[in-house]
Amino acid sequence: KQEVTQIPAALSVPEGENLVLNCSFTDSAIYNLQWFRQDPGKGLTSLLLIQSSQREQTSGRLNASLDKSSGRSTLYIAASQPGDSATYLCAVVHGSSNTGKLIFGQGTTLQVKP
Amino acid sequence: NAGVTQTPKFQVLKTGQSMTLQCAQDMNHEYMSWYRQDPGMGLRLIHYSVGAGITDQGEVPNGYNVSRSTTEDFPLRLLSAAPSQTSVYFCASRSRGTNTGELFFGEGSRLTVL
Repeated sequence: KQEVTQIPAALSVPEGENLVLNCSFTDSAIYNLQWFRQDPGKGLTSLLLIQSSQREQTSGRLNASLDKSSGRSTLYIAASQPGDSATYLCAVVHGSSNTGKLIFGQGTTLQVKP
Repeated sequence: NAGVTQTPKFQVLKTGQSMTLQCAQDMNHEYMSWYRQDPGMGLRLIHYSVGAGITDQGEVPNGYNVSRSTTEDFPLRLLSAAPSQTSVYFCASRSRGTNTGELFFGEGSRLTVL
């Protein structure tokens, strides 16, 4: 059974720091991996999506990497800002086809202090 | 463009009552799904649909029914609410396609069962 784990559960950093959020999955047979942001009381916003054949994706200050063989993905946030404070979730589509059935990690809650 | 719209945003039920959570999307997405989010459990897939007239069970389907009579709508029905169904429910949709996969979420429906 595919399981997704995110460590740490919470992280607090001063503004301006570069930081890395970790996501691991137990089965390397994934179709894609997606990183989301969730603000308190809100829905999820997609940040980056990495197909299984890709190694990384970038959007602005965000860079997500994927290493299927080791079952890991990282989300790198450069020059963090207080507005980056949110919960970050990773999720995988398990298997060889795009079923759309996401398996989520429990998230990392990030606080960026001014 | 409204995206994914969920109603109601908040609901309180008594044990045994029934209700329907509504979800509508205006992006002509084929895939729609329902997740529930519980503290410490992350998001878990309840039911899923790949198109009108087609539904499938997710990880935690018991106690919930769905139907998909149109592309736009995907209601989630609780037949006899139980306190264990107290949760935040999210509807999501995405376009079909081998090179896409980004999931779009509604803002959630917060349900309390007393």
